[in-house]
Amino acid sequence: DVKVTQSSRYLVKRTGEKVFLECVQDMDHENMFWYRQDPGLGLRLIYFSYDVKMKEKGDIPEGYSVSREKKERFSLILESASTNQTSMYLCASRRSGGRGTEAFFGQGTRLTVV
Amino acid sequence: AQRVTQPEKLLSVFKGAPVELKCNYSYSGSPELFWYVQYSRQRLQLLLRHISRESIKGFTADLNKGETSFHLKKPFAQEEDSAMYYCALLNTGGFKTIFGAGTRLFVKA
Repeated sequence: DVKVTQSSRYLVKRTGEKVFLECVQDMDHENMFWYRQDPGLGLRLIYFSYDVKMKEKGDIPEGYSVSREKKERFSLILESASTNQTSMYLCASRRSGGRGTEAFFGQGTRLTVV
Repeated sequence: AQRVTQPEKLLSVFKGAPVELKCNYSYSGSPELFWYVQYSRQRLQLLLRHISRESIKGFTADLNKGETSFHLKKPFAQEEDSAMYYCALLNTGGFKTIFGAGTRLFVKA
């Protein structure tokens, strides 16, 4: 069974803290993604990576950074957490090439910034 | 601009009634379209993809390039179909999946 695993289901952090969200996939996928999921807004892409040490900004990268030192791991970093970053964060991975390749998602991390 | 629009935030139907979840897209090129579903307390997962022309759990979706639509349909809704449904588009180059805002389907007994 393919797996994308996010390190935490729930996190509560204080404003100004540096926050790390970790994601690991065991499918040897080249592509990994971080989305945030908000009611009425759907999934919005924060950052994605198509290879080790490669990263691209998504639609809402402000306030976030990412790291991909190993193929299986993709980390999302909130440099200085703010209350408007309270959200559900979803990690996903997908293999490159071919048509109809689906994205596989983690279980999500619900982050609350107080 | 590449965009996916799901006009309904909430759709409520009775069990046994037909259901149609609307999806329209904006894309220059040959699109790859998907429907993803998220059941309560479960992770987001693929429901179906347009290139497979498949029926999954009784759901079908036809790509209409003229109307730039990819509506999801089921002739007889079941209570277990209650979930959040997202229409998604895979962009040129195949890197980014762009999601709509989602439609919450509620099937009443």
